[in-house]
Amino acid sequence: QQQVKQSPQSLIVQKGGISIINCAYENTAFDYFPWYQQFPGKGPALLIAIRPDVSEKKEGRFTISFNKSAKQFSLHIMDSQPGDSATYFCAARGGSSNTGKLIFGQGTTLQVKP
Amino acid sequence: DAGITQSPRHKVTETGTPVTLRCHQTENHRYMYWYRQDPGHGLRLIHYSYGVKDTDKGEVSDGYSVSRSKTEDFLLTLESATSSQTSVYFCAISGTMGSSQPQHFGDGTRLSIL
Repeated sequence: QQQVKQSPQSLIVQKGGISIINCAYENTAFDYFPWYQQFPGKGPALLIAIRPDVSEKKEGRFTISFNKSAKQFSLHIMDSQPGDSATYFCAARGGSSNTGKLIFGQGTTLQVKP
Repeated sequence: DAGITQSPRHKVTETGTPVTLRCHQTENHRYMYWYRQDPGHGLRLIHYSYGVKDTDKGEVSDGYSVSRSKTEDFLLTLESATSSQTSVYFCAISGTMGSSQPQHFGDGTRLSIL
């Protein structure tokens, strides 16, 4: 299975709160899991990424948690700010024909209220 | 920002007409990708290129063709546009297929087919 399932579809968080977005996959051959952030009118931009041999990666307020046995990974945004309001996509790369192609989740629209 | 220019940025056309979208890069990257973005579907790969004149299909390639005659240009053509091809189209580039050089995206072309 090449799908990546992302939830929730939308999320509203108060300023200073924690935003959590979850993704699940089926293909155990996936070997790279990036998260992209997209602002209106712009293309997605790489936010943070993880490989399956690591359970957690942190960059500033952004953390990826990876559960290989459950085939799930999540993005945590600590101390969420109004400037974090954007659409977030998880993705996975690899599989039976590794040509660098990414499979994207459906996206999560995050709104951080002041 | 990665040197990626998509043109046009917006286009409105009629069903049955041919449409060509252009992606131009100044990074001399080997890999180039075309995605479409639709609500509830995330980004889906249409076609990709792994070198000049080397292209392959993605998951939603029906109704689309591509060409790459120069490293810097990757063209996406809708031979006979249909309303189902109304979408936002993104081009992405990567120096390698590995995670050391992730995909960078352009700012998209919004295409409306009436």
